Amino acid sequence: DTAVSQTPKYLVTQMGNDKSIKCEQNLGHDTMYWYKQDSKKFLKIMFSYNNKELIINETVPNRFSPKSPDKAHLNLHINSLELGDSAVYFCASSHTPRREGQVSADTQYFGPGTRLTVL
Amino acid sequence: QKEVEQDPGPLSVPEGAIVSLNCTYSNSAFQYFMWYRQYSRKGPELLMYTYSSGNKEDGRFTAQVDKSSKYISLFIRDSQPSDSATYLCAMSAGAGQGGKLIFGQGTELSVKP
Repeated sequence: DTAVSQTPKYLVTQMGNDKSIKCEQNLGHDTMYWYKQDSKKFLKIMFSYNNKELIINETVPNRFSPKSPDKAHLNLHINSLELGDSAVYFCASSHTPRREGQVSADTQYFGPGTRLTVL
Repeated sequence: QKEVEQDPGPLSVPEGAIVSLNCTYSNSAFQYFMWYRQYSRKGPELLMYTYSSGNKEDGRFTAQVDKSSKYISLFIRDSQPSDSATYLCAMSAGAGQGGKLIFGQGTELSVKP
C-alpha cells in the first residue's frame, strides 16, 4: 500500500489558471508538509500542518493556499499560475516533531511528487 | 549564503569504489541530520539519520556528523550501479522550528558497472 500518495502525478496548464494538488497519507501521522523542488533539484519547505493547524508558512506567495480537511490529507491550491511555479511539488508526512533535546527525530516520508509545468 | 551547502556534482565512480558525500552548514541549532536518496522522478527516501555528533553505520552506508566543524558526511562502501541517484543531506532543529527540514542541493551520483 502506498504510504504517501499525491494526485495528479503530472500537471500541465496555462499561465493564469488555478489548479489543485492533493495529498493523502495512510501512516497515521499528524504532521504533513509541502515542499517545492526546482529544476536544480533544490528542495525547499513551503508549509506544514499539524493536526489540521498551520505550523510552518515559509515565504510563499499568497497565491498558494494549503488546506487540511483532516490529519490524513493536505491539499495545495495555486491561483493565477505563473511560469516560475513550474517545479516538482512533494508532499511529506511525519509524527509530531519532538521537542528539542529528545533523542530521535521524526522521519518524514515523501510522496512521489507532482510535476507541474506552466506554459 | 545558504544554510546548507552541498556539492551538486555530478559524481561518477566505478562499481566497487568508496563514495564520500559531504555537506556543511551554518546553523548551530541543527540537531538532527539526515541523508535522503532520490531516484530519478521519484520522491526522496530516508537513508540514514543521526542525532547530534557521531557515526552511524547501516550495511554499506556510514553517516558521520561533526557538529564542531558543522560538517556531515555519507560514505558508501562497495558502491553498486543501483546506488546511482541524487543524495540529499537534510537537517532539522527539531520541534523548535516546526520540524522543517533544510536540504542541501543534492549530489548526483553515477556508479558505472
